[in-house]
Amino acid sequence: ETGVTQTPRHLVMGMTNKKSLKCEQHLGHNAMYWYKQSAKKPLELMFVYSLEERVENNSVPSRFSPECPNSSHLFLHLHTLQPEDSALYLCASSSTRADTQYFGPGTRLTVL
Amino acid sequence: QKEVEQNSGPLSVPEGAIASLNCTYSDRVSQSFFWYRQYSGKSPELIMSIYSNGDKEDGRFTAQLNKASQYVSLLIRDSQPSDSATYLCAVKLTGTASKLTFGTGTRLQVTL
Repeated sequence: ETGVTQTPRHLVMGMTNKKSLKCEQHLGHNAMYWYKQSAKKPLELMFVYSLEERVENNSVPSRFSPECPNSSHLFLHLHTLQPEDSALYLCASSSTRADTQYFGPGTRLTVL
Repeated sequence: QKEVEQNSGPLSVPEGAIASLNCTYSDRVSQSFFWYRQYSGKSPELIMSIYSNGDKEDGRFTAQLNKASQYVSLLIRDSQPSDSATYLCAVKLTGTASKLTFGTGTRLQVTL
C-alpha cells in the first residue's frame, strides 16, 4: 500500500535528541491522524488534522508537537522523549466526507 | 466499561474452518463500524466497513452488525494460514467526527 507513506520506518533516539516523523498521503484526503500503538494496548489517537487545522489533541504531552503544512503532509516533532514513548507511531488519512481511515506503514520508535 | 471491547485471544481455528471474531461497543448510537487486519510488525489494513444492521459479505469475509445488541462480528470462511493476524474492531462514536475508537484486537491463529 503506497497511499500513505511514513519516514523513517525505524528510529532510535536518546532522551535528549530532537527528531521528526514524516507522513505523506497520496489519496486526495483532507484529514490526517497520528496514532500511538504500544504492546497490548489499543491504538491511541494522538492528533487529528482536518483541512490543515488541528481539531483534536488527546492530552498528548508537549514533547510531541504535530505540524500539518498542507493536506498531504503531516509531521510529528519529537523532543526530550521518555523510554515509555517507545512504540509504533502510525499515520492515517481519510476524506472528511467518509469515515474510513487508511494507515501508513508506521515508524517503530525506540527511546533509549 | 471500555468503549470498544474485543477478546484478545488467541483464537485458534484449523485451516478451512470458519473463524468468528466478535466486538462489543458501549455507544448505542454509533453509526460506523470497521474491521482492520494487522500482521505482526505491520500497520492496520482495512478489511470491511459496515453501517447498517445485518450482514455484509466480501469474498470470504462477512461482517455482521446488530445495533440493538451493540455488537459487530467478522466471520472468515475457509480460514487460511495467511489469515493469521490480529483483527482490530473500530467504531466511530457519536459526535466524534472522523474519530475512530479501536479495540485491543483479537489475535487469530489458523493452524494446518
